Amino acid sequence: GAVVSQHPSWVICKSGTSVKIECRSLDFQATTMFWYRQFPKQSLMLMATSNEGSKATYEQGVEKDKFLINHASLTLSTLTVTSAHPEDSSFYICSAAGDNEKLFFGSGTQLSVL
Amino acid sequence: DQQVKQNSPSLSVQEGRISILNCDYTNSMFDYFLWYKKYPAEGPTFLISISSIKDKNEDGRFTVFLNKSAKHLSLHIVPSQPGDSAVYFCAATGGETSGSRLTFGEGTQLTVNP
Repeated sequence: GAVVSQHPSWVICKSGTSVKIECRSLDFQATTMFWYRQFPKQSLMLMATSNEGSKATYEQGVEKDKFLINHASLTLSTLTVTSAHPEDSSFYICSAAGDNEKLFFGSGTQLSVL
Repeated sequence: DQQVKQNSPSLSVQEGRISILNCDYTNSMFDYFLWYKKYPAEGPTFLISISSIKDKNEDGRFTVFLNKSAKHLSLHIVPSQPGDSAVYFCAATGGETSGSRLTFGEGTQLTVNP
């Protein structure tokens, strides 16, 4: 089946620093990728929809200046958490939509901000 | 506003018996429902789906039932196997959230005991 690679799988950073998370579709082209966040014991919450070659569409309540999304190619989308704070500590996961809009997920990134 | 809810955070069953995972939704515009399975340190993988024009879809040991009037769906696994132990997410799409944009439930941790 299709593979979506997400890196890093976990990251620990100091408060105030920026963290970049990459999401790659390895064997298919994804015009649309999605970024989710999951806090403990809560559901996967959609943060934004990333479209290749255009600006991302953010969900209500998600700060676009804090969570920068770049979808520069059909196989790569990046999420940068800028000036991270402890409350940004969470599990971030991406998914990519194939031709039939079937979703394939990355393995996720656990972010811990000290 | 949690539009998709999985009220049971965990479920434990004996190997060979039936596992029933439940999911409720509130948005009447949802017309397509999916179940994902997630192992630790991996991304969710698609398991089975059902369109709102059906009330049942079966794939091997997995059957999903949809009760539109009750806005309820369930996933039946029979017979359950230890390898089925994972977190199961219910997801929905449709209406304003059409296409690949999914709304997830909180997940249910299924443990199948040998």
